[in-house]
Amino acid sequence: QKEVEQDPGPLSVPEGAIVSLNCTYSNSAFQYFMWYRQYSRKGPELLMYTYSSGNKEDGRFTAQVDKSSKYISLFIRDSQPSDSATYLCAMSARGNNRLAFGKGNQVVVIP
Amino acid sequence: EADIYQTPRYLVIGTGKKITLECSQTMGHDKMYWYQQDPGMELHLIHYSYGVNSTEKGDLSSESTVSRIRTEHFPLTLESARPSHTSQYLCASEQANYGYTFGSGTRLTVV
Repeated sequence: QKEVEQDPGPLSVPEGAIVSLNCTYSNSAFQYFMWYRQYSRKGPELLMYTYSSGNKEDGRFTAQVDKSSKYISLFIRDSQPSDSATYLCAMSARGNNRLAFGKGNQVVVIP
Repeated sequence: EADIYQTPRYLVIGTGKKITLECSQTMGHDKMYWYQQDPGMELHLIHYSYGVNSTEKGDLSSESTVSRIRTEHFPLTLESARPSHTSQYLCASEQANYGYTFGSGTRLTVV
């Protein structure tokens, strides 16, 4: 079993819809949770960062962490064509800075 | 504005040639990483460094080598390029537990 599972299946949504992405993980030591956005032919950029459990909101983006279920989510409200990208979840444990990445979800927002 | 720079952005080279992919960061980060990513595929860690004169192989076996003589510089070298080395190579650096900053990547094609 991989440490981080992310269903890579492409996701197409109409403009304005809510995009919901999630990852599950197996390592209970993970405490730092991140979402990266990667545009085509670019490097990933850090989108959301969360420590431990709870919610974090930044504009149209909301990140949720449920450590009891080992499940993290990213929601994008009022999706825009510019949100079309691949979204990767990533996480690490205290003292171990190497990130474990999910495979990434390709999201296409259709105008 | 990127604080981590990769050159070249694109490289087409013949089989058997020696190549060096450059990566430099201006943030003073001790930890740096090299990932390999095929189009639409997940990230694979090939090398990492936790400081000057410290380098380790990553999770994916690679015929490349790295060096870390200066904090800001983490070049990756292929002694004899082969078509199987065709991929995108991403460099990243990290401030402890605050996520990675990625470069824009080098897209390598070996013909």
